[in-house]
Amino acid sequence: AQTVTQSQPEMSVQEAETVTLSCTYDTSESDYYLFWYKQPPSRQMILVIRQEAYKQQNATENRFSVNFQKAAKSFSLKISDSQLGDAAMYFCAYRSIGGTSYGKLTFGQGTILTVHP
Amino acid sequence: GAGVSQSPSNKVTEKGKDVELRCDPISGHTALYWYRQRLGQGLEFLIYFQGNSAPDKSGLPSDRFSAERTGESVSTLTIQRTQQEDSAVYLCASSLTSASSYEQYFGPGTRLTVT
Repeated sequence: AQTVTQSQPEMSVQEAETVTLSCTYDTSESDYYLFWYKQPPSRQMILVIRQEAYKQQNATENRFSVNFQKAAKSFSLKISDSQLGDAAMYFCAYRSIGGTSYGKLTFGQGTILTVHP
Repeated sequence: GAGVSQSPSNKVTEKGKDVELRCDPISGHTALYWYRQRLGQGLEFLIYFQGNSAPDKSGLPSDRFSAERTGESVSTLTIQRTQQEDSAVYLCASSLTSASSYEQYFGPGTRLTVT
C-alpha cells in the first residue's frame, strides 16, 4: 500500500515571499500521479498542481511549482510571491495509474500555511 | 456549470442513530468517490463507484458504513448505529471517469457530529 507523509504540520510565510512545503511518499509502483490540493476554511478541495511520475520535468502552474525527486520519493511544493489568499491547509496526494484501486487518492496529513501581511 | 453538491452541510446526531449523507455529482461524471476527513487530518478513501461496475469498497471502516449510487446520479452514504469516532467531515468527489488522468472535483463536504 502507498503512504504519503507531510512532516510539517504548520508553516508560515510573509506576503510576497517564497515558501516550500514538503512531502514524501512510499510506493513500489513505477508510474503514478502526485498532486497538491489546497483546502481553505470553506472545506472545498482545490487542485493546485499535478505531476505525472514518468515526466522528468517539474510541473509549474503560475506561482506554484514542484520539485519532484522520483528516486528520493520526494514531492515538494514551492509557492512564490505568496499572497494572503494562499493561506489554507495543503495536502499532498498520490494516485496509482493501474492496479485494483487506481481510482482513489491517498492523502498526507496536511500542512497549515499561514501568510502574514 | 454546477459543481459537486452535498447535503446536509452539517449534521448533528445522537450516538446509535443512523444517518444518510447525500452527494450530487457533476452532470456526466461517471465516477464518484467518498472520503472521510477527521479533524486536523488528511482525507481517507472510503468507496468509489465507476459507472455500472461493482464499487470499490476497500476503504469502508466497518459494516456500519454503506453507500449506494443509482446509475450515474446521486449517491447516498449511510452510517448505521453512529459512534462518536464517526464524527468527521465526509467529502464527495466526482470525475468524468475513474481513469487516473481525470481530475476529481470535490464537494464542500458534510460535517457530521455524533454526540
